[in-house]
Amino acid sequence: QITLKESGPTLVKPTQALTLTCTFSGFSLSTVGVGVGWVRQPPGKALEWLALIYWDDDKRYSPSLKNRLTITKDTPKNQVILSLINMEPLDTATYYCARHLGGFGQSLANYYFDYWGQGTLLTVSS
Amino acid sequence: SYELTQPPSVSVSPGHTASVTCSGEKLGDKYCSWFQQKAGQSPILVIYHNNKRPSGIPERFSGSNSGNTATLTISGTQAMDEADYYCQTWDSSTASVVFGGGTKLTVL
Repeated sequence: QITLKESGPTLVKPTQALTLTCTFSGFSLSTVGVGVGWVRQPPGKALEWLALIYWDDDKRYSPSLKNRLTITKDTPKNQVILSLINMEPLDTATYYCARHLGGFGQSLANYYFDYWGQGTLLTVSS
Repeated sequence: SYELTQPPSVSVSPGHTASVTCSGEKLGDKYCSWFQQKAGQSPILVIYHNNKRPSGIPERFSGSNSGNTATLTISGTQAMDEADYYCQTWDSSTASVVFGGGTKLTVL
């Protein structure tokens, strides 16, 4: 059974940094063709992709946020960590992590998000 | 940057066929996924690789992708299908995931 769960603070102040952890089970980030990504959703708005990390430590970032984002993995702990600096009220959103599945030798264009976490709501406010 | 455009809302009567479109430049040359998100819940993958259904997704969900438009079709729509639907693809030029703006499907 594959599960993912996001954890982190529920409230941060503007200008602070955010660290979110995605803890997963049922698969390994040491398996070829597997990645984990982060997607956020402001209240009442659309999904927005943030970052991805893969089994080989390849990393991809949203062009609009790449200067503020860092994604890392702790493979033995089955965790992916997302850091976002210089938080502002517009960063208020539910943050999801999801598995990004491809397969051996597949282009990233062939990958898809197949399992999602429950999400964690983050509010940025003073 | 690459953009995907969806209609904000679609309405369908129970038992009828609903079509949700997603438009983007040469989208037919890319793979498209579709996600269902019910109120207060996480997104669920309903279609990947344009027309493949994950295990557990009812057969009434189907997908197609050609030219500049991908389409999610729900045949025999049920009240439980009322949700927001998002399309998603990969933009190779920026190595980025791209989501559409979402479509609210109302079954009435």
